Amino acid sequence: AQSVTQLGSHVSVSEGALVLLRCNYSSSVPPYLFWYVQYPNQGLQLLLKYTTGATLVKGINGFEAEFKKSETSFHLTKPSAHMSDAAEYFCAVSFSGYSTLTFGKGTMLLVSP
Amino acid sequence: SQTIHQWPATLVQPVGSPLSLECTVEGTSNPNLYWYRQAAGRGLQLLFYSVGIGQISSEVPQNLSASRPQDRQFILSSKKLLLSDSGFYLCAAEVIANYEQYFGPGTRLTVT
Repeated sequence: AQSVTQLGSHVSVSEGALVLLRCNYSSSVPPYLFWYVQYPNQGLQLLLKYTTGATLVKGINGFEAEFKKSETSFHLTKPSAHMSDAAEYFCAVSFSGYSTLTFGKGTMLLVSP
Repeated sequence: SQTIHQWPATLVQPVGSPLSLECTVEGTSNPNLYWYRQAAGRGLQLLFYSVGIGQISSEVPQNLSASRPQDRQFILSSKKLLLSDSGFYLCAAEVIANYEQYFGPGTRLTVT
């Protein structure tokens, strides 16, 4: 069975600081990996995805993530946090696109001035 | 591009009352459709998914049901709500070609 673990239910950074949100997965077959962002009382918006090919993927709003098979990780980063990045972030995995998504429990990103 | 509509946006219902939440999709044909529930601190729980009209798979046994009467319409129902049914309900549509799920704005359900 596939699963996703997001380390840290809350992450606090200062504006301008590096953002690092951690995601580890378990999957017996090559995974498809996703990061979504959710602003309060809204639906989820896709930030980026990894399916095949280049392991460093770039998404919207300056975020990127790197698929590391040896570490079973797909951490989300952004070089410089903005106040507008404050939201909840979800990592998700599927079995090569042909199965339902399994989501992590989410990480709330707090950005202070 | 795909647009997912959900209504109502918020709902307050007493225990034991019926429920009907509707989701409609624009901009794509024959999508896979999903209902999720989000409770505080518990992430997203997949409730139902559908790969076509009349085809419903249930992930979690409960007093909820789902139906897909049309290609781009997905309905979540209950005959009698429980307190534990409170939460934020999200509908999603998957564009099969690119494996991406697009989410609606959600319905906040409070059962009192």
